[in-house]
Amino acid sequence: EVQLVESGGGLVQPGGSLRLSCTASGFTLSTYWMSWARQAPGRGLEWVANIDQEGSETYYVDSVKGRFTISRDNAKNSLYLQMNRLRAEDTALYYCARYYDGSGADDAFDIWGHGTMVTVSS
Amino acid sequence: DIQLTQSPSFLSASAGDSVTITCRASQGPGSYLAWLQQKPGKAPKLLIYEASTLQSGVPSRFSGSGSGTEFTLTISSLQPEDFATYYCQQLKSYPITFGQGTRLEIK
Repeated sequence: EVQLVESGGGLVQPGGSLRLSCTASGFTLSTYWMSWARQAPGRGLEWVANIDQEGSETYYVDSVKGRFTISRDNAKNSLYLQMNRLRAEDTALYYCARYYDGSGADDAFDIWGHGTMVTVSS
Repeated sequence: DIQLTQSPSFLSASAGDSVTITCRASQGPGSYLAWLQQKPGKAPKLLIYEASTLQSGVPSRFSGSGSGTEFTLTISSLQPEDFATYYCQQLKSYPITFGQGTRLEIK
């Protein structure tokens, strides 16, 4: 079964750090771009970051640039999100998603994990 | 940035009805437009990609269409399990963006 499982969320004080992990199973992680997205309580979806298959190309939403780092370890079938200088507005359920990068316009977030909750509060 | 605006934000309908949700983009995303469904407490699920291609396993009562800056998701003959929140998403350019969501409720 194709599956993504996130972990590493929790309660952290403003200015603190947290590292999220996402473990993939049922498919070869190294052949896919991967993504992180988030959803604040009661709010809509927000894309956070993307990484290419080798980890050499990354993209971020402006609000996390310079604070968050997306990375991967294909040998461990794992995706990561290092979050530094956390703010209250980073409080959200963080999802990892498989990014299908098609040959045409058939790009999509086709597989989603169930998410891990990050709460930034003093 | 490509901004996506969905209408309506809330929709009330009955089982068996057909409904249409519209997604308007501030700039044309080409066909890099997807639709996702999210049920309470669950992860989003891909329904449609490339504006009109049905994801494998998704019932044929879901359909997508559109071009330019206006796209639609139509659900024909609503089933009880279709009551959820729907999001459009553009993957044409960074930052990848989502619409604000349309909550479909049972009348």
